[in-house]
Amino acid sequence: DQQVKQNSPSLSVQEGRISILNCDYTNSMFDYFLWYKKYPAEGPTFLISISSIKDKNEDGRFTVFLNKSAKHLSLHIVPSQPGDSAVYFCAASRISGATNKLIFGTGTLLAVQP
Amino acid sequence: DAGVTQSPTHLIKTRGQHVTLRCSPISGHKSVSWYQQVLGQGPQFIFQYYEKEERGRGNFPDRFSARQFPNYSSELNVNALLLGDSALYLCASSLFPGTGNTEAFFGQGTRLTVV
Repeated sequence: DQQVKQNSPSLSVQEGRISILNCDYTNSMFDYFLWYKKYPAEGPTFLISISSIKDKNEDGRFTVFLNKSAKHLSLHIVPSQPGDSAVYFCAASRISGATNKLIFGTGTLLAVQP
Repeated sequence: DAGVTQSPTHLIKTRGQHVTLRCSPISGHKSVSWYQQVLGQGPQFIFQYYEKEERGRGNFPDRFSARQFPNYSSELNVNALLLGDSALYLCASSLFPGTGNTEAFFGQGTRLTVV
């Protein structure tokens, strides 16, 4: 039962353009969402998060949008840079839960072409 | 400041053997979680420990166990290894187990290969 889904296994974007990575979830109890970036041979690195009381959170070139009615979130990277090439994971959790257990999607491999 | 450190970085084991993986959290962090990442999948939650007590357990068999020490470091133990246990094992540390900011910081992982 995949509660967090990233339906695009890969995405290729030209340098300077916008990258849009998508994520869908099924469990309406999730109220906190995170994006992680992972390079090969490294652990995931936290990028940006959003709680369910917001519909947008911005941090520099990264913006996350949350559409609760559609159970959908997206990560926008503008402008994209070659160093952004990595696997991006969407994750969901419950702030009020006893743990900060993260449920991850399967990831999207972003390739930014110079 | 040191981040989350895991050891070893790589190891190869034979089916049926036992393995112990180690994790040191970020200084000041009292919660440690373990995840398994199989090739092509996202990380899957195995355990969370806070103040030396188990706070959560994922859908893994009893062959998987863990513990947290007084200095907040942690060990993940896997008995009777199967080929399917081959994966990247990630440790994550956080300040608290669940309420408020649930941001977790990950180590570089231990790549386990079972042959």
